[in-house]
Amino acid sequence: DTAVSQTPKYLVTQMGNDKSIKCEQNLGHDTMYWYKQDSKKFLKIMFSYNNKELIINETVPNRFSPKSPDKAHLNLHINSLELGDSAVYFCASSQGTMGTEAFFGQGTRLTVV
Amino acid sequence: GIQVEQSPPDLILQEGANSTLRCNFSDSVNNLQWFHQNPWGQLINLFYIPSGTKQNGRLSATTVATERYSLLYISSSQTTDSGVYFCAVELFSSYKLIFGSGTRLLVRP
Repeated sequence: DTAVSQTPKYLVTQMGNDKSIKCEQNLGHDTMYWYKQDSKKFLKIMFSYNNKELIINETVPNRFSPKSPDKAHLNLHINSLELGDSAVYFCASSQGTMGTEAFFGQGTRLTVV
Repeated sequence: GIQVEQSPPDLILQEGANSTLRCNFSDSVNNLQWFHQNPWGQLINLFYIPSGTKQNGRLSATTVATERYSLLYISSSQTTDSGVYFCAVELFSSYKLIFGSGTRLLVRP
């Protein structure tokens, strides 16, 4: 009964390809997020969605396109992958938009070769 | 923007030792969380503690919001405590967590 689950856990792909990472939460939360962890372990917000609406886009290249078909899902599609996109991507969710506890998925390690 | 500074950056302990990790932040926040990233990369929630003191087993945390810092105490450390400990804060009206750079902890048997 994983609370926030991401698939796949590992993704190895060539430059120029398009790939998607899926995220689902069963906590009944209405806000979902994507965070990126770089090679130095630094974690930074990419996107926030509340009730399927985008509320934060943190100057992410438009090759990254999140999609939220419903409150429980937030997928991340990446076009024309570049070497610099290699990182660990975390999905998270929280109840409400401000000041509530966030819970994270297990991460997706993306390697672009 | 807000600065979130964690100290020390690295810490090596002998099993059984106690330690204190610190998180300083430069603005008022309405959320503060501590996470443990284990060697497998999972981010595990330790505490949701915008203010006050909480305890969970060998771990406890205190946030003094008026002085803009939080402390994480680990007592009787075990090898399974190894990993990276992150503090993350949320500003009022910001809709996102801002992470510190972490404290890397190694507990030796």
